[in-house]
Amino acid sequence: KAGVTQTPRYLIKTRGQQVTLSCSPISGHRSVSWYQQTPGQGLQFLFEYFSETQRNKGNFPGRFSGRQFSNSRSEMNVSTLELGDSALYLCASSLAANSYNEQFFGPGTRLTVL
Amino acid sequence: TQLLEQSPQFLSIQEGENLTVYCNSSSVFSSLQWYRQEPGEGPVLLVTVVTGGEVKKLKRLTFQFGDARKDSSLHITAAQPGDTGLYLCAGVLGNTGNQFYFGTGTSLTVIP
Repeated sequence: KAGVTQTPRYLIKTRGQQVTLSCSPISGHRSVSWYQQTPGQGLQFLFEYFSETQRNKGNFPGRFSGRQFSNSRSEMNVSTLELGDSALYLCASSLAANSYNEQFFGPGTRLTVL
Repeated sequence: TQLLEQSPQFLSIQEGENLTVYCNSSSVFSSLQWYRQEPGEGPVLLVTVVTGGEVKKLKRLTFQFGDARKDSSLHITAAQPGDTGLYLCAGVLGNTGNQFYFGTGTSLTVIP
């Protein structure tokens, strides 16, 4: 069974640009969550999607948005990039939106904002 | 401030030693998970605990969930170089789907 895949793996952008990251969950998984990981703040929850609906949202500005498609693939978008957005963005999928379900993480997308 | 505080932040030990990592909060969690993350990869789930006082063992790793479901510990017996990595605890408040709050992390290095 293929794991969670994220594309691209590495990305370099400049301030003010926007970026779209993609996540393909494990086949059959309907819940996709996104996290931002930085050395200073650690892993922070961005949002979770289940069956194309955003179920939960973390404490991030509106520049961070996401969506989920009918095949459970998900994208997240960051507009008007800031230097502080440089981070590892992780996607995790699980069978359902239940905290007892195992979350499988992808390898992440390393975003560098110059 | 982080909802979950882990200690120690860094740990460097010799192969064969024992160690304990702590994950503490003032909040009550409905479930708590432990992950290990290696450089360049996403975290990998080690265990999920859901009942206060629960103890789970995974080979040389022992996980405990506090009676009040506010804290947890990870104990590794006879550490090996392959245990090296970043250990993260993560908890869910109430029944809020998959909104996990991650701990600050413990970076473990096991020296051969």
